[in-house]
Amino acid sequence: GENVEQHPSTLSVQEGDSAVIKCTYSDSASNYFPWYKQELGKGPQLIIDIRSNVGEKKDQRIAVTLNKTAKHFSLHITETQPEDSAVYFCAASSPPFGNEKLTFGTGTRLTIIP
Amino acid sequence: NAGVTQTPKFRILKIGQSMTLQCTQDMNHNYMYWYRQDPGMGLKLIYYSVGAGITDKGEVPNGYNVSRSTTEDFPLRLELAAPSQTSVYFCASIPGQGLIDEQYFGPGTRLTVT
Repeated sequence: GENVEQHPSTLSVQEGDSAVIKCTYSDSASNYFPWYKQELGKGPQLIIDIRSNVGEKKDQRIAVTLNKTAKHFSLHITETQPEDSAVYFCAASSPPFGNEKLTFGTGTRLTIIP
Repeated sequence: NAGVTQTPKFRILKIGQSMTLQCTQDMNHNYMYWYRQDPGMGLKLIYYSVGAGITDKGEVPNGYNVSRSTTEDFPLRLELAAPSQTSVYFCASIPGQGLIDEQYFGPGTRLTVT
């Protein structure tokens, strides 16, 4: 089955700086890659996703890039703010499943230093 | 819509006791999921259901049972609680048929087995 590795496990950045979280996946057939944000005491929430026919997707301060050849994808957060402090999970899904069955990474705890 | 609701929020069990974690969604979603979240381990899929009357095992089903008698409810049963089942449990749902990509998560149940 699919295996997703995520790095780093913890990340601290100064407010206003950028943060980058990286994930690698094992199944070359994987075609859907979402990122979830989990705030303290809450369930994860989707913040951005990308499909394998796209190399990059952006939504305001958040972007995701995908390198299918290297089998890795990354989350980029620019101009970080205190409310970006949370745990971030990447995930991947392989056919025949789309978003129906996800394999999650181990999570990155992001701390924004004021 | 209340979204995905889970009860209880917290529970302490003694080894060998049994309990049912409740999950309800009011969005008429077809797919429902149970995950467990252990520190540094990400989210692991326990069981999932693609509709009423249909359930299937995920990655870590041992020690758990599920049922899906209605579209709204997807309870998770622990028959003989063990310390290894100490975790935070999340229920999630999606419409299915590729309608919406996001998995909607409940707030979680923190279970401790001692």
